[in-house]
Parts: sequence; C-alpha cells; structure tokens
Amino acid sequence: QKEVEQNSGPLSVPEGAIASLNCTYSDRVSQSFFWYRQYSGKSPELIMSIYSNGDKEDGRFTAQLNKASQYVSLLIRDSQPSDSATYLCAVNPNQAGTALIFGKGTTLSVSS
Amino acid sequence: NAGVTQTPKFRILKIGQSMTLQCTQDMNHNYMYWYRQDPGMGLKLIYYSVGAGITDKGEVPNGYNVSRSTTEDFPLRLELAAPSQTSVYFCASNKPQDTEAFFGQGTRLTVV
Repeated sequence: QKEVEQNSGPLSVPEGAIASLNCTYSDRVSQSFFWYRQYSGKSPELIMSIYSNGDKEDGRFTAQLNKASQYVSLLIRDSQPSDSATYLCAVNPNQAGTALIFGKGTTLSVSS
Repeated sequence: NAGVTQTPKFRILKIGQSMTLQCTQDMNHNYMYWYRQDPGMGLKLIYYSVGAGITDKGEVPNGYNVSRSTTEDFPLRLELAAPSQTSVYFCASNKPQDTEAFFGQGTRLTVV
C-alpha cells in the first residue's frame, strides 16, 4: 500500500517565523509532489509542485525534495496569520492508471 | 471557465436512502477523482477514472459506485446511505496525471 505520511500537528509558530512542514512517502518511484493548502470548510488549492531533487522557491514558499530519502518539505518564511490552514502533501505514484495519494495533512496555526 | 463543479453543496439523507453526487469539469481532463474527508482528517480516495469508460477503486469504495460515460462527468452514487458516510465529498480532476489537480467546492453530506 502506497502511503504518504505527515505529522498532523498542530504546528504553532509566531507571526514572522519560519514554518516547516514535512512529508514522507513510501513509493520510491514517485516522481511528482504537490503541496495543497486547505482552509477550514474550503476545498484544497495547490500552492507548490516539485518534480526534481533540490529546492523550488515561490515567494515566501520553498518546497524541498529528496528522492533518496523519500522526503519532501514545505517552508513558509515570514509566516502570516493568513497562512493558518491545513497543508496537504500529495504524491503521484507515476504509474499509468494510478491516482494522486494524499497525506492526512498538517494543521498550521500562526499567532499574531 | 467553470473548472470542476459539484452539486449539491449540502444534502441531508435518511438512513437507507440513495443519491447521486454530480461532478463535471470543462477542462478536458482525463483523470477524475472522488475523495471523502471526515472532520479533522485527510482525503481518502473513493474511486477514480483515467478516462471515459474506465474506473477503478480507491482506498474506501464500499457503499459507493461510479460511472464515467463522458470525459466531463463523473457522478458518485451512494446506495443505502449509512451514518458512516457522513462526510465532505470532493471531486477533482487533472491532465495529465502528474499535473495540478483541481478540486470542486465539495458536497457536505449528512446521513441521519
């Protein structure tokens, strides 16, 4: 069974701090990785995708991928109260005819 | 561009009733998915489809059925509703498989 694991949290950080969210996956052949943000009562929305080892930066967000360790992370710099949400890690097993697999999500709370 | 549209947004069912959750997308996506999300939990895959006429079970298919007669539509059928099916249901789609999945607004279903 392919799995995606996340610490459910809650992760609490003060405003302006760096929030670090982690995700591990079991399927070594996975090639595509996504971070979604979900506000309470809303549907998930994509904030980052990453396909290659290393870092990918987009504004205050940085995704990091280490395929050898089967580990993907999301860093949020200068955290804002509006970043308070649940962050879902999703993995594409990269096999024809398979579905995206989501982790349970990490709840982030940013206090002002 | 409407994206992924789900109907209804809310529904209350009595135990033993049946209903169909509708999902349609106008992005010509091959892949479509149904997830359920219980309070405080992540997304669990119910069924998915890689194209018209092709469907496959996900992690929690029992009590549900799907069909995919067209590229655009992917309805989810609940037969003999049970309280355990109280959840928020999300439909999503993407094309190709390793790109961003777009989500519908969700259907909040309560079975009493």
